[in-house]
Amino acid sequence: GAGVSQTPSNKVTEKGKYVELRCDPISGHTALYWYRQSLGQGPEFLIYFQGTGAADDSGLPNDRFFAVRPEGSVSTLKIQRTERGDSAVYLCASSFYPSREQYFGPGTRLTVT
Amino acid sequence: ELKVEQNPLFLSMQEGKNYTIYCNYSTTSDRLYWYRQDPGKSLESLFVLLSNGAVKQEGRLMASLDTKARLSTLHITAAVHDLSATYFCAVDMRVGGGSQGNLIFGKGTKLSVKP
Repeated sequence: GAGVSQTPSNKVTEKGKYVELRCDPISGHTALYWYRQSLGQGPEFLIYFQGTGAADDSGLPNDRFFAVRPEGSVSTLKIQRTERGDSAVYLCASSFYPSREQYFGPGTRLTVT
Repeated sequence: ELKVEQNPLFLSMQEGKNYTIYCNYSTTSDRLYWYRQDPGKSLESLFVLLSNGAVKQEGRLMASLDTKARLSTLHITAAVHDLSATYFCAVDMRVGGGSQGNLIFGKGTKLSVKP
């Protein structure tokens, strides 16, 4: 079956611009996660959704970052006033209960120039 | 604050040799994952370890979990070049009766297997 998909695969933007990154989870998976992976590091948790609501957003670095999942399926991570330090690969994962195993998408590589 | 520490961070091996990667974590958790990541690719799940004493094997890789010591190991037997990749351990942070939880990852071990 189809795995987690993310679009775009690459995004280059100028400092100060707004970007949206999209994640399509595996069909039927109720939980959706966003992580950020900087070069040479492990993924860092940003936010996770259970259904439509954000169950834990403690990993969002500041209020420039926001994510939504309005219908409990597709999610969009939104970054306002991008900074060069936001450059990273943004990974999305989904899971279902009771398995809890997270399946990762291919990621979106964001470069802020 | 939960910390997940892997060592070594870099490992250069010769084909045919054995080695172990260690993953220590600082708080209780009921499951631990090992992932593989090839350059420019996403994360591939290798093992899910659910209980103390759990041991799982797939090909030349074997993972174990000691929840009392808060330690997991990934053992590589008779390494081959195809195993070259970065390996991450990740601890599940499910809290209380919650149905899901985010993962806390180690920094990864970059493995290079040379002929």
